Amino acid sequence: ILNVEQSPQSLHVQEGDSTNFTCSFPSSNFYALHWYRWETAKSPEALFVMTLNGDEKKKGRISATLNTKEGYSYLYIKGSQPEDSATYLCALNSGGYQKVTFGTGTKLQVIP
Amino acid sequence: ETGVTQTPRHLVMGMTNKKSLKCEQHLGHNAMYWYKQSAKKPLELMFVYNFKEQTENNSVPSRFSPECPNSSHLFLHLHTLQPEDSALYLCASSLSTATGNGYTFGSGTRLTVV
Repeated sequence: ILNVEQSPQSLHVQEGDSTNFTCSFPSSNFYALHWYRWETAKSPEALFVMTLNGDEKKKGRISATLNTKEGYSYLYIKGSQPEDSATYLCALNSGGYQKVTFGTGTKLQVIP
Repeated sequence: ETGVTQTPRHLVMGMTNKKSLKCEQHLGHNAMYWYKQSAKKPLELMFVYNFKEQTENNSVPSRFSPECPNSSHLFLHLHTLQPEDSALYLCASSLSTATGNGYTFGSGTRLTVV
């Protein structure tokens, strides 16, 4: 069983602050790393699928980086807004659909 | 609305009941999945269907029985569940089961077994 760890488990930031959190994973058998945003009572929403070491992806104020050699990905949110409040999940694909392992998520609360 | 619709949103059932969860997508995706999320735990893969064929049963007890009549619909039939089966059940779909495809999730069914 692979261990995908996300830190911190939760955090509170003030509106306007920038923040980041981490997804750590075993670097062997890496195929892809997914990030999802999951707002309460809604569906998890795909943010990024990252496959290459050194990948950087951006969607509005949210960006992500990937280091497959050391086994981590960072998610950054610039100028946090209350609507960014959600749980952010990462998922490691280590080889096909049956080898997708989710982390427990980072719960972000942005305080107006 | 993501394009993956799950019904019902909430379900309370007794241990002797039989119920079914439904998932529907019209995104043209060929792979569909059932995931379970229990409190404080990561999402756990239960079943995978690819082109209507079940390709994965992740050691799920037989009281959970999936059905995929076509590429757009997925069911999870429930019978004689236990209280510890209470959880959020999420359906997801993807273009295929290939590595680079992200999932589109439904909003889930919150199941309570009493």
